[in-house]
Amino acid sequence: DGGITQSPKYLFRKEGQNVTLSCEQNLNHDAMYWYRQDPGQGLRLIYYSQIVNDFQKGDIAEGYSVSREKKESFPLTVTSAQKNPTAFYLCASSRERDGSYEQYFGPGTRLTVT
Amino acid sequence: ILNVEQSPQSLHVQEGDSTNFTCSFPSSNFYALHWYRWETAKSPEALFVMTLNGDEKKKGRISATLNTKEGYSYLYIKGSQPEDSATYLCAPRYGNKLVFGAGTILRVKS
Repeated sequence: DGGITQSPKYLFRKEGQNVTLSCEQNLNHDAMYWYRQDPGQGLRLIYYSQIVNDFQKGDIAEGYSVSREKKESFPLTVTSAQKNPTAFYLCASSRERDGSYEQYFGPGTRLTVT
Repeated sequence: ILNVEQSPQSLHVQEGDSTNFTCSFPSSNFYALHWYRWETAKSPEALFVMTLNGDEKKKGRISATLNTKEGYSYLYIKGSQPEDSATYLCAPRYGNKLVFGAGTILRVKS
């Protein structure tokens, strides 16, 4: 089945540690995105990538880093510089070439930092 | 940062009731409006993409309309069923980025 996988589903870390969230897609989509969800707020864009080896900051990139070495993979690192890392993180991808920009989402990772 | 507002924040209805939600967004530099349904413990799924002023889309009992001049979209559900319970997200597109509203949580009681 084609789709987007994120792992793990739940992640617990101590404050001060970096943590990397995985996102893989086998939809052959060019673009990939990372969003963060906090209670009562919409999905906020952290980083996005439209092509391999290129990515752009979203609205809340501070304290996060990404890489896009392969088309299928777009891992997100939450660094110790991120002041409020506890949140639900969603990865998405889209085939922008057809002009629809419809995004397909993974199941998400809930990160808790204590 | 663009402000996308969805109302109401949450809605509890009885099975069989019809309901509607609103999405308001800045209309300048707008390209398209996306609606998603997000059921608990699942991934958000696309419902509709609309681009033209006056667009109306329908999928079963769910329909949506778009007013690009004044910057709003309505989502209607006719004869709500318990399986319609979900969070409904709207996301206008500006350039190549979607800007998401906080969503409307719908709970349908049988």
